[in-house]
Amino acid sequence: EVQLVESGGDLVQPGGSLRLSCAASGFTFSSYSMNWVRQAPGKGLEWVSYISSSSSTIYYADSVKGRFTISRDNAKNSLYLQMNSLRDEDTAVYYCARGVSGSVTTPSGYWGQGTLVTVSS
Amino acid sequence: EIVLTQSPGTLSLSPGERATLSCRASQSVSSSYLAWYQQKLGQAPRLLIYGASTRATGIPDRFSGSGSGTDFTLTISRLEPEDFAVYYCQQYGSSTRTFGQGTKLEIK
Repeated sequence: EVQLVESGGDLVQPGGSLRLSCAASGFTFSSYSMNWVRQAPGKGLEWVSYISSSSSTIYYADSVKGRFTISRDNAKNSLYLQMNSLRDEDTAVYYCARGVSGSVTTPSGYWGQGTLVTVSS
Repeated sequence: EIVLTQSPGTLSLSPGERATLSCRASQSVSSSYLAWYQQKLGQAPRLLIYGASTRATGIPDRFSGSGSGTDFTLTISRLEPEDFAVYYCQQYGSSTRTFGQGTKLEIK
């Protein structure tokens, strides 16, 4: 069974940093691309970042480019999101999501339950 | 960046009725890399349709997707009580994988 478990969400002050993790199990992690998607309270889904299976291709939303860094450790079956210079508008539930296939162009077929990041003074 | 606009914002229907949800892109979506997701309150999204018209694993055949280029449609042929939720479209053909703002399907 595919499982994705996010962790690392917390209350942080504006300008602060946080690192999110996503532990994957039930599939060959190194074969699939991964995404981070967030959802502000009461709002819609916002795609944040994408990383290919080998980390060779990485994309970011304009809203986080230069502040967030996506990475993965295939040996540890883990996905990460380093978030720096956090702003109030980064407050959201952050989901990690696995691609349906190993292709670069694949939708997110499996999702974790999310971890809450709150940016507030 | 491709902007996706979903309509209507809210759709009020009764169980057994047919639902038609629209997703319009600001520019052509490459190779119909368009997906639909369902999200219920307090839950993670669930993939319904990808490649504009391919049902994901385990999705009932009352859900169907169609369209190409800039205009896409999700149709639910006969609404079941569990179908009332928020639906999002997403394009994943460009480097920035944008979502639409969502359509809330509510019980009339």
